[in-house]
Amino acid sequence: DSGVTQTPKHLITATGQRVTLRCSPRSGDLSVYWYQQSLDQGLQFLIQYYNGEERAKGNILERFSAQQFPDLHSELNLSSLELGDSALYFCASSRDSISTDTQYFGPGTRLTVL
Amino acid sequence: EDQVTQSPEALRLQEGESSSLNCSYTVSGLRGLFWYRQDPGKGPEFLFTLYSAGEEKEKERLKATLTKKESFLHITAPKPEDSATYLCAAPGSGGYNKLIFGAGTRLAVHP
Repeated sequence: DSGVTQTPKHLITATGQRVTLRCSPRSGDLSVYWYQQSLDQGLQFLIQYYNGEERAKGNILERFSAQQFPDLHSELNLSSLELGDSALYFCASSRDSISTDTQYFGPGTRLTVL
Repeated sequence: EDQVTQSPEALRLQEGESSSLNCSYTVSGLRGLFWYRQDPGKGPEFLFTLYSAGEEKEKERLKATLTKKESFLHITAPKPEDSATYLCAAPGSGGYNKLIFGAGTRLAVHP
């Protein structure tokens, strides 16, 4: 158990809908990262927040957005969902924001868009 | 462009048959090389971080090594429970902490 929690574990929804994925980092960690894992793309970095502020962005679609709250939990919002958004979404956390920090991953949310 | 490449894509071993997984990277100013283990449908589990060429780290039957261009994950006398996908990753250049992952090596150890 990494100490990172994610809810829900599974999510099934229809095209065009909007969903919210939630992540709680390990105790004491200030950075939260979101990754997408699909069969054809592997693990892809989406976005990083550090202590409530956006720190780095990857290949995140405009339909996707995220935020980190004062209690340090984070939410990833996915809207206007398409079939291709079906994937595993992972949250990771680290103590700080420096690149040598180890990132610890949560169990993931499996999103299925029908 | 930052890139992390793993080989082989898949590896089948008999229990007790030692082998090595390769991770090559083209990231300028490497600031760490990370190894993770991932079981199907689960989140990546942290194994090792290597920071400089020549560094080695061990954990049970696994040993990770790092050179200036690649890293190896050596598996000694593997057991069926070592079956998983092994991922390596490096922070992208530009000062950010986004990890760039390789596609992974799917390891199957048969009794």
